[in-house]
Amino acid sequence: GDSVTQMEGPVTLSEEAFLTINCTYTATGYPSLFWYVQYPGEGLQLLLKATKADDKGSNKGFEATYRKETTSFHLEKGSVQVSDSAVYFCALSDRYGTASKLTFGTGTRLQVTL
Amino acid sequence: KAGVTQTPRYLIKTRGQQVTLSCSPISGHRSVSWYQQTPGQGLQFLFEYFSETQRNKGNFPGRFSGRQFSNSRSEMNVSTLELGDSALYLCASSLVVSGAGELFFGEGSRLTVL
Repeated sequence: GDSVTQMEGPVTLSEEAFLTINCTYTATGYPSLFWYVQYPGEGLQLLLKATKADDKGSNKGFEATYRKETTSFHLEKGSVQVSDSAVYFCALSDRYGTASKLTFGTGTRLQVTL
Repeated sequence: KAGVTQTPRYLIKTRGQQVTLSCSPISGHRSVSWYQQTPGQGLQFLFEYFSETQRNKGNFPGRFSGRQFSNSRSEMNVSTLELGDSALYLCASSLVVSGAGELFFGEGSRLTVL
């Protein structure tokens, strides 16, 4: 079945450091890929998405590119801030690209310090 | 615009009891999905409802059930509770019924089974 593998956390970075959170997936069909973020005490929020191969999703300085050849969707940010501290989830849709049924990775906790 | 509202936020039950959780989606959203979040299994899809019909179902036993009302509000029920049902139950609503639409998550209902 479909699956998503994320790098283990927690990831601890100093402010302004470069961030990469790795995400790889196994899926059939033509899924869409997502990054969701969960800030402390809040529900999950969509951070960015990509719906087909080579698409790049971007938002709030975060970027991720849908790489079909390496089945990856790594999250990157050039300069993190303390306010980026949160748990980040990589997710994929079903084979038809429908987002209502998502398969999530286990989440990666990011802690940014001054 | 009000977000997704879940009630109750916290509840404690004992083994063998049943529980009903409620979710009010964002106004105008007709698709409602439910997820279970646990430290060991992460986020797992339970089911999705649209226009009072279950469209998708995850790999959970029949003790887990749900329904959606004509106003799009949804409830999920877990009967004969087990210790392993302790989890954060997240509800998400969506405006679109297909494609890579954004899911809007509530803050969850945290269930503890003793």
